[in-house]
Amino acid sequence: QLQLQESGPGLVKPSETLSLTCTVSSGSFSSSSYYWGWVRQPPGKGLEWIGSIHYSGRTYYNPSLKSRVTISVDTSKNQFSLKVSSVTAADTAVYYCAALYSNNFFDYWGQGALVTVSS
Amino acid sequence: QLVLTQSPSASASLGASVNLTCTLSSGHSSYAIAWHQQQPEKGPRYLMKLNDDGSHSKGDGIPDRFSGSSSGAERYLTISSLQSEDEADYYCQTWGSGIQFGGGTKLTVL
Repeated sequence: QLQLQESGPGLVKPSETLSLTCTVSSGSFSSSSYYWGWVRQPPGKGLEWIGSIHYSGRTYYNPSLKSRVTISVDTSKNQFSLKVSSVTAADTAVYYCAALYSNNFFDYWGQGALVTVSS
Repeated sequence: QLVLTQSPSASASLGASVNLTCTLSSGHSSYAIAWHQQQPEKGPRYLMKLNDDGSHSKGDGIPDRFSGSSSGAERYLTISSLQSEDEADYYCQTWGSGIQFGGGTKLTVL
């Protein structure tokens, strides 16, 4: 069973870069069956897919965020990371990392990390 | 454009059954979806993948009370013998040009 855990600063200043890391505790990290994704949820709102990455480094991004988002992978640590640049208050959200089976559906989720954008 | 539509809210009594609906946009009626549950103040939990023929595969430890079915562009999540812990937000999710989520349905157990 996969376990995922987000980590990173909970407070980011406007115009700066948000950075989060997800650690995956499972031998499936380098499996061809999985992509690894980021999803966010602003307070009181629904879920929004940010982007996904394969252990090979292939990425897919939400077109609405693509210009500000970078997702990278570190297979030696079973980790993948998210960077969102030029953040504003609208980027305040709980950020979830999740396992994306066959690049299709999320079947395991992290517990989430609240990131607040404020000066 | 691939869009998932869900009713914002639903309610049913303790011990009863409820059907939640996720509707695929025109031209996408063959798409599979996944259902996710989000209990208050918790992260989402994967419930099942649901195919256009109604076949479904559930996640780890999901009770038999949760089942899925399909009809045309409609995808259903049925929860029987409702319990208090079923009060949650339920999201459908699909994949095509990237990943899409429905807006979610807030289920209240009366």
